[in-house]
Amino acid sequence: GEDVEQSLFLSVREGDSSVINCTYTDSSSTYLYWYKQEPGAGLQLLTYIFSNMDMKQDQRLTVLLNKKDKHLSLRIADTQTGDSAIYFCAETKWAGGYNKLIFGAGTRLAVHP
Amino acid sequence: DAGVIQSPRHEVTEMGQEVTLRCKPISGHNSLFWYRQTMMRGLELLIYFNNNVPIDDSGMPEDRFSAKMPNASFSTLKIQPSEPRDSAVYFCASSFSRPGGNEPQHFGDGTRLSIL
Repeated sequence: GEDVEQSLFLSVREGDSSVINCTYTDSSSTYLYWYKQEPGAGLQLLTYIFSNMDMKQDQRLTVLLNKKDKHLSLRIADTQTGDSAIYFCAETKWAGGYNKLIFGAGTRLAVHP
Repeated sequence: DAGVIQSPRHEVTEMGQEVTLRCKPISGHNSLFWYRQTMMRGLELLIYFNNNVPIDDSGMPEDRFSAKMPNASFSTLKIQPSEPRDSAVYFCASSFSRPGGNEPQHFGDGTRLSIL
């Protein structure tokens, strides 16, 4: 999606932290989401953040939101091989009656020993 | 609890044939979405239903595509006639929507469609 931009690839060593970045365009987005897609599977909701928050932490996951710069990041602490997947950032856009999800192209995270 | 269930998981057929994809949303969810995922275009919303009524079908590529939701627990996406460029992974997602609310969408595992 042209409205949401992500880097396409990230490689990290097992045990290190991963940071996946995303920029979005709609300043009125009420919620911003992170989804994870493993090979051959659907999109799994990881976490989401309400637009009036700056940070949300959920176990190994930390989401940071900078509304001024329209920047969202997902930090994965102690990255494991099972975290290898594609991570999608999504913003919500009011589509005249409902909130539509606009997805980025996804960041492929590769975790190596 | 069962998630969103899609069938078939894989479909291979020859161009010109009719293809029907099926989706069972999560029980209690009142919103249903059909998406298409390709390498070139990423994730695209095809159609959105709320309370079984199509609300936004602006993403449906052309008249060859149609979607129905006869009841709260079942939806179909049909392609007739199919073409090779329809090859993609098709996802169904559901959520519970209420005025002022924004519940997350939950996705099925998708149908991988190959048109030869």
